[in-house]
Amino acid sequence: RKEVEQDPGPFNVPEGATVAFNCTYSNSASQSFFWYRQDCRKEPKLLMSVYSSGNEDGRFTAQLNRASQYISLLIRDSKLSDSATYLCVVLSGNSNYQLIWGAGTKLIIKP
Amino acid sequence: EPEVTQTPSHQVTQMGQEVILRCVPISNHLYFYWYRQILGQKVEFLVSFYNNEISEKSEIFDDQFSVERPDGSNFTLKIRSTKLEDSAMYFCASRKPGQGTYEQYFGPGTRLTVT
Repeated sequence: RKEVEQDPGPFNVPEGATVAFNCTYSNSASQSFFWYRQDCRKEPKLLMSVYSSGNEDGRFTAQLNRASQYISLLIRDSKLSDSATYLCVVLSGNSNYQLIWGAGTKLIIKP
Repeated sequence: EPEVTQTPSHQVTQMGQEVILRCVPISNHLYFYWYRQILGQKVEFLVSFYNNEISEKSEIFDDQFSVERPDGSNFTLKIRSTKLEDSAMYFCASRKPGQGTYEQYFGPGTRLTVT
């Protein structure tokens, strides 16, 4: 089983739609989770941190289910500018230093 | 807003040559990282650095790689004898000290092309 697994994508959705990304992780000792977005050939940019059961920031909601080792990201009222690759990232349960990255899900918002 | 900077943005080198990639982390951050991303693949951890020493390194970070913090601001990654498969984007990241603050902030990356 991969350490961090995401929906393969790409997701093609119309502007204004709600889109959900799912992510599972294998190390039950992991405590910290993040969603980053990455535009083509750019650096990953931190979108949200998820330390407790969930986090909400405007149109973005992240949820964590520790029992199922599952994290989700919901984007409401999607904009064209939301088009990017969304990366699920888990802080290694074996250290405080290493981020374990999912392969990312590409999102394409269509007008 | 403070940000991580990296130079150069693009480096082309011949196989077997040494390269040094430079990073200036955010000024009050104490943890530093290098990651790489081969085109079309996922981000991979290389090394973490704290208190002037390596905290953790991955299997990728072999004897050809080294890191240094030569002064109070720069953080460098050296590849001694580059291989074709070292071609990738190299990202530097930093995070601030303190328990419960694990967010890492990334620089814009250096695209390394080995020919």
